[in-house]
Amino acid sequence: NAGVMQNPRHLVRRRGQEARLRCSPMKGHSHVYWYRQLPEEGLKFMVYLQKENIIDESGMPKERFSAEFPKEGPSILRIQQVVRGDSAAYFCASSPRVTEAGSLPETQYFGPGTRLLVL
Amino acid sequence: GIQVEQSPPDLILQEGANSTLRCNFSDSVNNLQWFHQNPWGQLINLFYIPSGTKQNGRLSATTVATERYSLLYISSSQTTDSGVYFCAHTGNQFYFGTGTSLTVIP
Repeated sequence: NAGVMQNPRHLVRRRGQEARLRCSPMKGHSHVYWYRQLPEEGLKFMVYLQKENIIDESGMPKERFSAEFPKEGPSILRIQQVVRGDSAAYFCASSPRVTEAGSLPETQYFGPGTRLLVL
Repeated sequence: GIQVEQSPPDLILQEGANSTLRCNFSDSVNNLQWFHQNPWGQLINLFYIPSGTKQNGRLSATTVATERYSLLYISSSQTTDSGVYFCAHTGNQFYFGTGTSLTVIP
C-alpha cells in the first residue's frame, strides 16, 4: 500500500506565476489535509477536505489560495500570483475516516512534502 | 485556539543517552500525535496517543489528558534520531507545536 504521494517534490516559480501542488492520499483514505511549514517553523494547518467537499478552510489565506479534492484524481492546492512569502514546504496528509459523527479523524499519514521556492 | 508548547526547543545528546520531550496543551485534547521530521524534511508519524502509554522500540510516549501534557521518551539515542519532533492536536482543530530540535552526536 503506497503512502501519501505528493508532486512535484520541488517547485520553483517566479513572482506572479501560479503554483499547483498535488496530493494523492493513501489508498482507501477519503480525508485530505494540507499544511504549510515556513522555514524554521512548525506546521500550520491550512485546509481539510473530503471528496468534493471542503470541511475546514480556517487556515487558508483568504486570497490567492484554493484547494480541491475532486471525486476522481488527486487533491490540488493552488496558489495564484505567488509571492516570495509563499516559499515554504507544503505537506499533505490523509486519514481513512472519521470515527463517529461529529468526532475526530484518525491518525494522519503525511506525504513527503512539496518545497516551493518563489524567486 | 489551543496553544501547544514544546520543551525543550533544542536538545543536543551524546549517542546512547536518553531524553524526554514534553508537550503541553492549553486545553484538553483528545487526538494527539507525535511526529519526527528528519533532516531531509520527511515527516514520520511516531504515535497516535490521545491517552495512556505506547511503546515502539526505543521510543515511547505517554499522554495524561487530564493534565494536558504528553511526553516522548527516546532511549539509547542514535544519530538517526536527529531532527525535529513535533506534537500536535490533530482532531477537528489542528494545532502543531513549534517542535524540539534534537541533535544526536556520535
